[in-house]
Amino acid sequence: GAGVSQTPSNKVTEKGKYVELRCDPISGHTALYWYRQSLGQGPEFLIYFQGTGAADDSGLPNDRFFAVRPEGSVSTLKIQRTERGDSAVYLCASSPARTGANVLTFGAGSRLTVL
Amino acid sequence: AQSVTQPDIHITVSEGASLELRCNYSYGATPYLFWYVQSPGQGLQLLLKYFSGDTLVQGIKGFEAEFKRSQSSFNLRKPSVHWSDAAEYFCSGGYQKVTFGTGTKLQVIP
Repeated sequence: GAGVSQTPSNKVTEKGKYVELRCDPISGHTALYWYRQSLGQGPEFLIYFQGTGAADDSGLPNDRFFAVRPEGSVSTLKIQRTERGDSAVYLCASSPARTGANVLTFGAGSRLTVL
Repeated sequence: AQSVTQPDIHITVSEGASLELRCNYSYGATPYLFWYVQSPGQGLQLLLKYFSGDTLVQGIKGFEAEFKRSQSSFNLRKPSVHWSDAAEYFCSGGYQKVTFGTGTKLQVIP
């Protein structure tokens, strides 16, 4: 596609529920990143993929968070047993780079609100 | 830890005045460095990037940044600020894994 697409744009859920956030990167981009941005903060790194594999998942806060990219294109961020503290905007970005410098193109984000 | 730091949370400048936003990095070797801008309700937009070579890089919207190895800095500058520049600015850096600073919110007063 022309840009990075994220769905849903807004998600309201109740504490304890399961949530999936989807990212459709720019066609041909091999690298895909997930970030979390809380109000007034900078984007916090969660995970990045090169192709289908998670090259670095050191930013995932705990085992309730999981992300997949089974075919090396679309990625899904999965959050189990959501907590109020998970409320944030979840940003996805993609990059054509296979190695080295990564200029990221960001999506508009998915705003998650946990009640 | 490898990171970038933005020491100024909030900066106010008058329209037409010059601007400098600070960014310091902490990496073992020279990382790739970037500045992004985020306007309210908008996504992150790349202003400029530094990979290697000329230490003064030009970006969009009249912004430039200078890489200074001796000071571990990559400060963003603009000679004359416009009201439309009011936004939040993020410095970022890394190699494969790209991390962001906490941001500097720019307010422009008439």
